[in-house]
Amino acid sequence: AQTVTQSQPEMSVQEAETVTLSCTYDTSESDYYLFWYKQPPSRQMILVIRQEAYKQQNATENRFSVNFQKAAKSFSLKISDSQLGDAAMYFCASRYTDKLIFGTGTRLQVFP
Amino acid sequence: ETGVTQSPTHLIKTRGQQVTLRCSSQSGHNTVSWYQQALGQGPQFIFQYYREEENGRGNFPPRFSGLQFPNYSSELNVNALELDDSALYLCASGGILGNEQYFGPGTRLTVT
Repeated sequence: AQTVTQSQPEMSVQEAETVTLSCTYDTSESDYYLFWYKQPPSRQMILVIRQEAYKQQNATENRFSVNFQKAAKSFSLKISDSQLGDAAMYFCASRYTDKLIFGTGTRLQVFP
Repeated sequence: ETGVTQSPTHLIKTRGQQVTLRCSSQSGHNTVSWYQQALGQGPQFIFQYYREEENGRGNFPPRFSGLQFPNYSSELNVNALELDDSALYLCASGGILGNEQYFGPGTRLTVT
């Protein structure tokens, strides 16, 4: 069974600084996808970034980048130049075929 | 905006009643998935529909059922509501394999 673990219930960062959110996963599959989703108080899950397991290059989307360590089954999210609007719950998720498996989330606070 | 819509936004039901939640998928997406998100938790996969048939199911009892229509809209039906069914119900649409899933804003269900 696939599992996703987020060990940081809460993180905080100063505006304009960099923060890294951790995620580990467990899967027996060789082909899978990994995602980070953001859920602000408005509740809508917003896709932040995705990584295909077969790609060695780490995905990057503007200020968001990942550190994908396939052997260690680690998938951390780095947010650079943090903004007040980045404050939200962040969920790490893995996907194989039909479903997404989510972690329990990390609440990110951004201080001015 | 993801192009995925859900209705209603909020709903209050009494234990034992039945409820129907609705989702309209993003144009061009042929799968729709439903997730249950309890307070303070990550979303849990209920089931996915592809070409109007159930394509995968999570660990939810048969009183959770669904439909997908030719226009890729979908319904989630829950019979014999229990207090523990109180949660945010999220609908997501996407491609059949590996692609990211795009979420709607959710329906908050409260069972009293």
